[in-house]
Amino acid sequence: KQEVTQIPAALSVPEGENLVLNCSFTDSAIYNLQWFRQDPGKGLTSLLLIQSSQREQTSGRLNASLDKSSGRSTLYIAASQPGDSATYLCAVIKIKAAGNKLTFGGGTRVLVKP
Amino acid sequence: DGGITQSPKYLFRKEGQNVTLSCEQNLNHDAMYWYRQDPGQGLRLIYYSQIVNDFQKGDIAEGYSVSREKKESFPLTVTSAQKNPTAFYLCASSPGQGASGYTFGSGTRLTVV
Repeated sequence: KQEVTQIPAALSVPEGENLVLNCSFTDSAIYNLQWFRQDPGKGLTSLLLIQSSQREQTSGRLNASLDKSSGRSTLYIAASQPGDSATYLCAVIKIKAAGNKLTFGGGTRVLVKP
Repeated sequence: DGGITQSPKYLFRKEGQNVTLSCEQNLNHDAMYWYRQDPGQGLRLIYYSQIVNDFQKGDIAEGYSVSREKKESFPLTVTSAQKNPTAFYLCASSPGQGASGYTFGSGTRLTVV
């Protein structure tokens, strides 16, 4: 059974500092991995999608890496801003005959202090 | 703009009542999903549908029912058999094989009164 873990569960940093969020998974036979952002009481906003054949994806200040062999992904957010305060979730996707299986980590709650 | 629309944003249910949560997408995605989110817990899959007129149970399907009569719509009914329905419900869709990832709606918060 796939298990996805995100450490730390919460993180508080001063504005301008770089953020490093970790995601680990137990089954390396994944199809792809997706990072989401969730603001309180809101839905999930997709940040980055990494295909299993890729090593990283970048979008603006965000960079996500994927190391399937070690079962890890890392989301880097450069020069953090108070608006980056949110919960960040990673999800791994595995293809199954009965349908895709999306497994979420528990999330990292980030607070960026001005 | 393409996206997923969930309604209502807030829903209150009395004991013993069935309620239906709406989920509509205009992304032309084949697959749709319902997740439940509780404080301190991760997202858990309730039901999913890969094509019209077909759906499968997820990890916590008991007390819920769904239908998929149209590609764009995947309503979730929370029945009276669901003993602890208070939660945040999220609908999602994907093109089918997940190669392009998943898109989520803004959620419905259901409260039992």
